[in-house]
Amino acid sequence: QVQLVQSGAEVKKPGASVKVSCKASGYSFSTYVLSWVRQAPGQGLEWMGWISVYNDNTIYAQRFQGRVTMTTDTSTRTAYMELRSLRSDDTAVYYCARLYGDSEGDWFDPWGQGTLVTVSS
Amino acid sequence: QSVLTQPPSVSAAPGQKVTISCSGSSSNIGNNYVSWYQQLPGTAPKVLIYDNNKRPSGIPDRFSGSKSGTSATLDITGLQTGDEADYYCGTWDSSLSAWVFGGGTKLTVL
Repeated sequence: QVQLVQSGAEVKKPGASVKVSCKASGYSFSTYVLSWVRQAPGQGLEWMGWISVYNDNTIYAQRFQGRVTMTTDTSTRTAYMELRSLRSDDTAVYYCARLYGDSEGDWFDPWGQGTLVTVSS
Repeated sequence: QSVLTQPPSVSAAPGQKVTISCSGSSSNIGNNYVSWYQQLPGTAPKVLIYDNNKRPSGIPDRFSGSKSGTSATLDITGLQTGDEADYYCGTWDSSLSAWVFGGGTKLTVL
């Protein structure tokens, strides 16, 4: 079945970087866009951006531009999201999600299980 | 502050119907398709509705979506205790060139 499996929880100090991975299976990896969405504790979903696996084109949410990099490795069917200069308010669960669509609209399906990133001194 | 506005919480008794609203603008809901996501406690979100009113296979027809102008609605009928979750609407915002989510609505089945 179509599945996204993410890397494990991370604990980082303020100012450090974190790189979260998302391994895809069950579908043609290069055909789709992969997005990253985060959720701070007790808060809602926040879209961070996405990457086209086909041509590596990226769109980042404005608030993360300059601090985030999304990449893919087609040989291992894995997407990566690196966030730099971490602050305490970056503490959140980070999800990857495949952008799926038809002739009308797009939506996210499936989602990875989430990776908790804790930023603490 | 989310670009799409949802009520923070809704509640109803088992078997009843609940409606969750999602209000936006012409740059998002007004000109793009809306999807809805269910997030059960401690789990990742899951798509419930896409293209405003379509259900993925496996989603019961108790869940339905609609859109009118710059607002969208998720209806859940025959409420079950297992429906207790957070629900999010989402769509593309053409002015922001960004995907936007509503702030989420917590459903309590009394």
